[in-house]
Order: sequence, then C-alpha cells, then structure tokens
Amino acid sequence: GAVVSQHPSRVICKSGTSVKIECRSLDFQATTMFWYRQFPKKSLMLMATSNEGSKATYEQGVEKDKFLINHASLTLSTLTVTSAHPEDSSFYICSARMIAGVNEQYFGPGTRLTVT
Amino acid sequence: GQNIDQPTEMTATEGAIVQINCTYQTSGFNGLFWYQQHAGEAPTFLSYNVLDGLEEKGRFSSFLSRSKGYSYLLLKELQMKDSASYLCAVMDSNYQLIWGAGTKLIIKP
Repeated sequence: GAVVSQHPSRVICKSGTSVKIECRSLDFQATTMFWYRQFPKKSLMLMATSNEGSKATYEQGVEKDKFLINHASLTLSTLTVTSAHPEDSSFYICSARMIAGVNEQYFGPGTRLTVT
Repeated sequence: GQNIDQPTEMTATEGAIVQINCTYQTSGFNGLFWYQQHAGEAPTFLSYNVLDGLEEKGRFSSFLSRSKGYSYLLLKELQMKDSASYLCAVMDSNYQLIWGAGTKLIIKP
C-alpha cells in the first residue's frame, strides 16, 4: 500500500515550452502533497506544499508563477513548469501524506526534466 | 523488480550508537542517499555514497558495499533530537530514485 506515482518519469523539452508533471496517490487519499527538487548529489529541496482544494504554499525563493501547482483531488497534484529554461533541468519528486495517517510522507519515483 | 529494504523501527538509548541497515536490489546504481525526516517535516539530506567505503560526517557515518548491495547509517552519541525516520534511497540506472520505506528511530533517555 501507500504507492505514489509520477508521470512522466523523464521528459525532454525545448526552452520556452511548458511541462506538466503529475503526482498520484494510487491506493490512498492524500490531503497534502509535497513537491521537491533535487540537484545532483544534493538534498531534496522542498518547493511547495499542496493541499487539496486550496492554493499551494511555496517556499521562499520558488516562483509561483513559474511553477504552477494544482491539487484538484485527493489523489492528484500537478506541477507545471512554465516557459522552461535549461536552468530548470532537474529531478522533481513529489510525496503524499495520508488523510488518516500521522506524518509519514510517501515519495514518488521522481521526474527527470531536461530543458534543451 | 527493484527493492530497498530497511528495518521498520529501531530503539536506542541516548548517548549510545545505532546502525541502520539498508539492502537494495536495483536496475543499475548511481548512488545511495540517506535522509532524515522528523515527523511533519520535509526530509533532510544526510549523506550520499557512490563509492564503496565509509563516509564520516560528524556524528553520522554512512557505509556502502556495492558488491553486496548494502549500506548502513551509523549514528553516534545519540541525542533525543535524533528521534526521526531515516530514509534510504538508491538512484538507479535511469536516475530514478528508489526509496526505502524508512526506519523510525526511537531514542530513549
């Protein structure tokens, strides 16, 4: 149980285009989903916290207009990287927290974005 | 299939040493990460191993044996604040992170 999926697993796009990444909790309902960015050999950097039905809370330094987050249902959150640039190339990971659970987060496998 | 195994829960005493093991079977290997996560907070990076051997960083050390598909995280001089979950994650040949379920470490006075 407690499986989180992400789609796509990797994507290559051209500079200036937008990319949408989906995060789904497959066998549980998640009130909260988290979006992380990971640079090579570095820690996960929390980008934003997404609560179902409300606006996401962005961490300091993360542009909300560039990284659009939508948490439309209890099992789906999306991250859209708008007008992507090469510096946006990174590994994006989501995690989900159960409604009825305590504080455990279940992580997705990640999406590798390459902007050319 | 790909698999990361680590104990679900461990208990240790303040001031002591604890070793959290992680075994993995993945399609390729591009490094192993250890993260610490306190309840209700985002995980924080502890270590990264890509070569065999021991990496020491203060009270925490991480060991890797690629031939055995094995790593451990060693915590010395345990403090109450070390009570947390410790996540092992392996980056496979596709640069996908394969995560362990985490080990909940309980520190008793």
